[in-house]
Amino acid sequence: EVQLLESGGGLVQPGGSLRLSCAASGFTFSSYAMSWVRQAPGKGLEWVSAISGSGGSTYYADSVKGRFTISRDNSKNTLYLQMNSLRAEDTAVYYCAKEAGVAAPYWYFDLWGRGTLVTVSS
Amino acid sequence: QSALTQPPSASGSPGQSVTISCTGTSSDVGGYNYVSWYQQHPGKAPKLMIYEVSKRPSGVPDRFSGSKSGNTASLTVSGLQAEDEADYYCSSYAGSTSPYVFGTGTKVTVL
Repeated sequence: EVQLLESGGGLVQPGGSLRLSCAASGFTFSSYAMSWVRQAPGKGLEWVSAISGSGGSTYYADSVKGRFTISRDNSKNTLYLQMNSLRAEDTAVYYCAKEAGVAAPYWYFDLWGRGTLVTVSS
Repeated sequence: QSALTQPPSASGSPGQSVTISCTGTSSDVGGYNYVSWYQQHPGKAPKLMIYEVSKRPSGVPDRFSGSKSGNTASLTVSGLQAEDEADYYCSSYAGSTSPYVFGTGTKVTVL
């Protein structure tokens, strides 16, 4: 079955760190760029970060640049998001999403995980 | 990169049509034919409904259609059904530095 399964969310204090994981199955993981997209409670979707299939290229939203790091382990079919210096405004459900294009992006997401909740609070 | 602008809400009776707009700039919506639309039911993950402005993935009913004119894209849902009640988000390619931008979201209510 083609699916994405996020894990690693939880409660963390402001200034703390957390690492999210996204396990992929059912498709050739290394052929596709992947992204993290978040949704604050009651708010809209916000793209956070993307990584190419090889892992050689990474992209970040200005709101997380310098604090978050996206990476992937193609041998484990797993995407990661290392989140440092967390702020209250980072509280959100974090989704991993699969880019539709093989080898080159098509600039839309055709598969989403169920999300993992990150709460930043003291 | 600023979020694309969508109306907060839209509504229609069963069988009617509703159209949602998504306004950006020449650096995103107006500059590329890479507009997509996602449907999200409460507590669920987003689902792709339209890609590349007007193309429908397999399994999406042909009641859903997309278009674009200038810096504004639109999603039309024809023959509204109860299950169409959800939040809808547009998205566009926005350039190589920060490639994806989403819209502010529209809640569609079936009266």
